[in-house]
Amino acid sequence: DVKVTQSSRYLVKRTGEKVFLECVQDMDHENMFWYRQDPGLGLRLIYFSYDVKMKEKGDIPEGYSVSREKKERFSLILESASTNQTSMYLCASSLTRGQTEAFFGQGTRLTVV
Amino acid sequence: GESVGLHLPTLSVQEGDNSIINCAYSNSASDYFIWYKQESGKGPQFIIDIRSNMDKRQGQRVTVLLNKTVKHLSLQIAATQPGDSAVYFCAENYGGATNKLIFGTGTLLAVQP
Repeated sequence: DVKVTQSSRYLVKRTGEKVFLECVQDMDHENMFWYRQDPGLGLRLIYFSYDVKMKEKGDIPEGYSVSREKKERFSLILESASTNQTSMYLCASSLTRGQTEAFFGQGTRLTVV
Repeated sequence: GESVGLHLPTLSVQEGDNSIINCAYSNSASDYFIWYKQESGKGPQFIIDIRSNMDKRQGQRVTVLLNKTVKHLSLQIAATQPGDSAVYFCAENYGGATNKLIFGTGTLLAVQP
């Protein structure tokens, strides 16, 4: 089974802190994604990556950056956390470009106070 | 996540009835579609997918229908069970070189015993 692991289930950070959310997948998938999920808004794509050191902006990249130094790991970085970044963050991976399903981690519930 | 069911369209069905969940997608160039199920406190899980060269695909107790003319997708669940209670999302792959996977806002399915 594909396993996508997010490093933390719950996080509480202060406004202005730099925050790292880590995601690791164990199936040699090429693509990795970061979404945030908010009530009534569904999953919104922040960034995705289809190869090591490659990244593409999603629909809401402002206030975020990403890093993919190794194929199995995709990190989401909040440069200076703000209260409007309080959300559920979901990482996903898929095998290749195109028509393959994405597998999700359990999510990280981030609260910025 | 725990609160993703708030503010969502809700479909309430009796146990044993058939459920139909609808989704309008946005990009006429999308070439691959997926239905996901998300239970409380968990990440989304794959249910069934369909490629744009198909109109219908069946799985175990689930059927997905694709109408490209009106950009509409539906998920039919036969003999709905209490374990089917969850939030259901459709997702579209924008296709081509972008490999962008975009989600709808979701529908909460509530199964009454």
